[in-house]
Amino acid sequence: QKEVEQDPGPLSVPEGAIVSLNCTYSNSAFQYFMWYRQYSRKGPELLMYTYSSGNKEDGRFTAQVDKSSKYISLFIRDSQPSDSATYLCAMSVTFSGNTPLVFGKGTRLSVIA
Amino acid sequence: DAGVIQSPRHEVTEMGQEVTLRCKPISGHDYLFWYRQTMMRGLELLIYFNNNVPIDDSGMPEDRFSAKMPNASFSTLKIQPSEPRDSAVYFCASSLGLLAGISGTDTQYFGPGTRLTVL
Repeated sequence: QKEVEQDPGPLSVPEGAIVSLNCTYSNSAFQYFMWYRQYSRKGPELLMYTYSSGNKEDGRFTAQVDKSSKYISLFIRDSQPSDSATYLCAMSVTFSGNTPLVFGKGTRLSVIA
Repeated sequence: DAGVIQSPRHEVTEMGQEVTLRCKPISGHDYLFWYRQTMMRGLELLIYFNNNVPIDDSGMPEDRFSAKMPNASFSTLKIQPSEPRDSAVYFCASSLGLLAGISGTDTQYFGPGTRLTVL
């Protein structure tokens, strides 16, 4: 079993829809949970990070972590065509640029105008 | 800042040839990471450096792969000889490292990647 599992999609939604993206993981040592967004032919960019369990909101984006279930989610409200990208969850034992990240395979999202 | 710079952006080569991928990290960053992305396996860490010293190369698939960082502003990933199964997008990322991590705001900045096709 891979350490981090993520449904690759693709996921296609109409503009304005609420999008839910999810990952599960097996390593209970993970403390920091990140979501990266990757546009086509580009490198991943950090979108949000959360520490331990709980919610974090940033504009239209909400990240949730449930450590008891080893399950994390990213919600996108009022989705826009510009949100069309691949979303990768990533995890690490510590949050610091010096820690290798373990990534999910990514979910490809298309928001249709 | 120009961000992480990788070259070439695309590389097509024949099986058995040597391939060299290049990376220039963001100035002042102490950590450099090489990742490989494929449809089957996603994004996987190959090796990472701290202050030009390799810290963990356990992700390097086999002896055909080697990486060097001769100075703080340059790193190479070499595949010799290349095989079709090496076809992937190779990303370099850099970060500030521990000091920035204390503030909780550090992150890894990724380059645009090199798309390698081995025929």
